[in-house]
Amino acid sequence: DTGVSQNPRHKITKRGQNVTFRCDPISEHNRLYWYRQTLGQGPEFLTYFQNEAQLEKSRLLSDRFSAERPKGSFSTLEIQRTEQGDSAMYLCASSFVSTQYFGPGTRLTVL
Amino acid sequence: DQQVKQNSPSLSVQEGRISILNCDYTNSMFDYFLWYKKYPAEGPTFLISISSIKDKNEDGRFTVFLNKSAKHLSLHIVPSQPGDSAVYFCAANRENNLFFGTGTRLTVIP
Repeated sequence: DTGVSQNPRHKITKRGQNVTFRCDPISEHNRLYWYRQTLGQGPEFLTYFQNEAQLEKSRLLSDRFSAERPKGSFSTLEIQRTEQGDSAMYLCASSFVSTQYFGPGTRLTVL
Repeated sequence: DQQVKQNSPSLSVQEGRISILNCDYTNSMFDYFLWYKKYPAEGPTFLISISSIKDKNEDGRFTVFLNKSAKHLSLHIVPSQPGDSAVYFCAANRENNLFFGTGTRLTVIP
């Protein structure tokens, strides 16, 4: 399967803990994106990488959130000191030009 | 501020008939529009797209129409099949950011 993959698929954590998610994009795609989706809403843009450079961050990405793409391939999204409001589906997408292809997402539940 | 709106949260259509899903946007700087289909517990799956310089794009049973003056696009599915039942999201692109609508749940009744 050569699509976008995300791990883990589900994560349950207690408030205040740190969590890290991983995204592996489609191999020839140089652009990688993170989105967050809550119930009843469409995905909301968080951040975007072109190769290893993080080119844009949404105001939704508070200082507790950090994303990296160290070698321009896979990416990680870390949330520090999780809050109940962080509970959501975290989606990763990749693209070569315009069309973004999404992974299956990581569902985070903060208790 | 919701720059992309899907005002119909749900739509039911008989199998074999046409499904029309609508989307409105407010930002004239969007240069590319996409439709995604989403099943529960999965990520959005790309369906079809259209550049802002075109007014129609067709791919099999799926056709997207763009009316720039009205800032409106629509997705036509014909004929509709039960397997089309899912949530459909409209998205608009500006500077590598996708802005999504809230989705329309399509149910195709056999």
